[in-house]
Amino acid sequence: EAGVVQSPRYKIIEKKQPVAFWCNPISGHNTLYWYLQNLGQGPELLIRYENEEAVDDSQLPKDRFSAERLKGVDSTLKIQPAELGDSAVYLCASRLAGQSGSGELFFGEGSRLTVL
Amino acid sequence: GQQVMQIPQYQHVQEGEDFTTYCNSSTTLSNIQWYKQRPGGHPVFLIQLVKSGEVKKQKRLTFQFGEAKKNSSLHITATQTTDVGTYFCAGRGNFNKFYFGSGTKLNVKP
Repeated sequence: EAGVVQSPRYKIIEKKQPVAFWCNPISGHNTLYWYLQNLGQGPELLIRYENEEAVDDSQLPKDRFSAERLKGVDSTLKIQPAELGDSAVYLCASRLAGQSGSGELFFGEGSRLTVL
Repeated sequence: GQQVMQIPQYQHVQEGEDFTTYCNSSTTLSNIQWYKQRPGGHPVFLIQLVKSGEVKKQKRLTFQFGEAKKNSSLHITATQTTDVGTYFCAGRGNFNKFYFGSGTKLNVKP
């Protein structure tokens, strides 16, 4: 079974440019998370989806960040315009909600963004 | 807001020595999970603790959940070089929200 797939793995852009990250969660996982991870820090939640609904986006900087999860499967996270401080790893995770399983988060490999 | 604090930030040990990392939450958690992230990798799930005072073991790893469900620890006995990485706790608050600690980076010298 394929894990969580993210692309691109690496992206280098100049400040003020737009960038987009894509995530395909594990099949059947209805909960999808986007996390931001700075070097030496733990993942910080940006947005959480239950199916296609964004149920928690309180930490998403909405002036420049946007996300969507059309049809409740794959998701896109966009930054426009990017700032120097946005350089980080953007992690996508999915989870199977409900009573079955341990409720663990399955993370993708991440998308490392460098803003010059 | 809810926070999960994790200490120490770094730990350097000689192979064979023990290692412990601690997590403390400002509020009661419904459960806590532990993840390991190898250098250059992504977090990988280790275990979940749900019950007050719960203790679980995985070979040389022992996980504990405090009686008040506000703190947790991970103890590794006789570390090996394969244990190198950063260990994160993630406390589950309301609904499906997970609060990650800042992690403890473990380095094991052979």
